[in-house]
Amino acid sequence: DIVLTQSPATLSLSPGERATLSCRASRSVSSYLAWYQQKPGLAPRLLIYDASNRATGIPARFSGSGSGTDFTLTITRLEPEDFAVYYCQQRGNWPLTFGGGTKVEIK
Amino acid sequence: EVQLVESGGGLVQPGRSLRLSCSASGFSFDDHDMHWVRQPPGKGLEWVSGISWGGGSIGYADSVKGRFTISRDNAKKSLYLQMNSLTTEDTALYYCAKDMGGYSYGFSWFDSWGQGTLVTVSS
Repeated sequence: DIVLTQSPATLSLSPGERATLSCRASRSVSSYLAWYQQKPGLAPRLLIYDASNRATGIPARFSGSGSGTDFTLTITRLEPEDFAVYYCQQRGNWPLTFGGGTKVEIK
Repeated sequence: EVQLVESGGGLVQPGRSLRLSCSASGFSFDDHDMHWVRQPPGKGLEWVSGISWGGGSIGYADSVKGRFTISRDNAKKSLYLQMNSLTTEDTALYYCAKDMGGYSYGFSWFDSWGQGTLVTVSS
């Protein structure tokens, strides 16, 4: 199985700052990677798919990049509603797998 | 508006069975692959199983293979998960999720989720 390793586990930032989250795959998944946001008590929400495509309704401050084994989710200026847990997921190899998550918390 | 409503969760003893259901509305159910994704309390996400739009292609995580069975009824716009031989490791919130689709092969991304149904396996 493809193992997705997310770092850091926790990111402490202030509103308005830039957030950079990493997801590393144990072997290449091409561009078949997505990012999700999950707030407490709610279901995850798809943010980015195919490494860099924003899902419907996702603000432009969210962007994704990378291919192969190294991927990045960037939030250019953190809004109060962006503090949440972020997961990456791959479909490049069977079975579908998720990373362990990065919590973006208010500093 | 896409709506996915799960039901069937509850407290069950180890070794017993449970059947989850997911009722879908707001989209063409029979055009989309569907999935079950679970989340143990306080932990991350794990894909459990997926089924293609017509039911001809099915996949399971190794952790549930041979114990869980996914199925769907397109006429009823419903997705199911039959869970047998449950263990404490299966305790989790189980989400029904819609596949975004649009690829020539395979499952893809989860673009709509239900609110989840909690399964607790305990003696």
